[in-house]
Amino acid sequence: DTAVSQTPKYLVTQMGNDKSIKCEQNLGHDTMYWYKQDSKKFLKIMFSYNNKELIINETVPNRFSPKSPDKAHLNLHINSLELGDSAVYFCASSQDRTGMEKLFFGSGTQLSVL
Amino acid sequence: DQQVKQNSPSLSVQEGRISILNCDYTNSMFDYFLWYKKYPAEGPTFLISISSIKDKNEDGRFTVFLNKSAKHLSLHIVPSQPGDSAVYFCAAMEYGNKLVFGAGTILRVKS
Repeated sequence: DTAVSQTPKYLVTQMGNDKSIKCEQNLGHDTMYWYKQDSKKFLKIMFSYNNKELIINETVPNRFSPKSPDKAHLNLHINSLELGDSAVYFCASSQDRTGMEKLFFGSGTQLSVL
Repeated sequence: DQQVKQNSPSLSVQEGRISILNCDYTNSMFDYFLWYKKYPAEGPTFLISISSIKDKNEDGRFTVFLNKSAKHLSLHIVPSQPGDSAVYFCAAMEYGNKLVFGAGTILRVKS
């Protein structure tokens, strides 16, 4: 039973489209995250939610909007997709918001914008 | 400006030998450091961590060393096994702030 699951695994779409990536964790964790791994392979945090409350919002275009309906789910919606949005997006969760507790990652969503 | 740097994109080691993966950081406020391991088509998984009050932490075959004055940490894997072949990410944080990752080092352990 996968601890952090995200769907879809692959997403190929045209520029200008709107798409969503879903994430669910069954670990009972309070904090969830979205990370982006860019072409240079750095993992960069985009958003963090703690008990459905937004606690980290990095400098991300407002075309990206996270939604947390409950603490077990954190979805990422992207409007008006651009070529530069192509990347691997990882969802993660942790027991608390300090960051000192280890993160549990999903297997990633490879987004390709054509 | 990358605050966490892993200057070796890849490393190749013979099975049974020691693997040493290096990581440098620039932010002197970082006080907690972690290593994550990633297999292809999977997400990173936590491997080992160290607090700035320590200079060494050991867990089985994995040891992390921290040199605060040099702003440098390293991960030692002894003995290396083919199953250790993966991408290793160094990460650092200041308490209460976000985790900052390096770009990773690809480790290949040859049998």
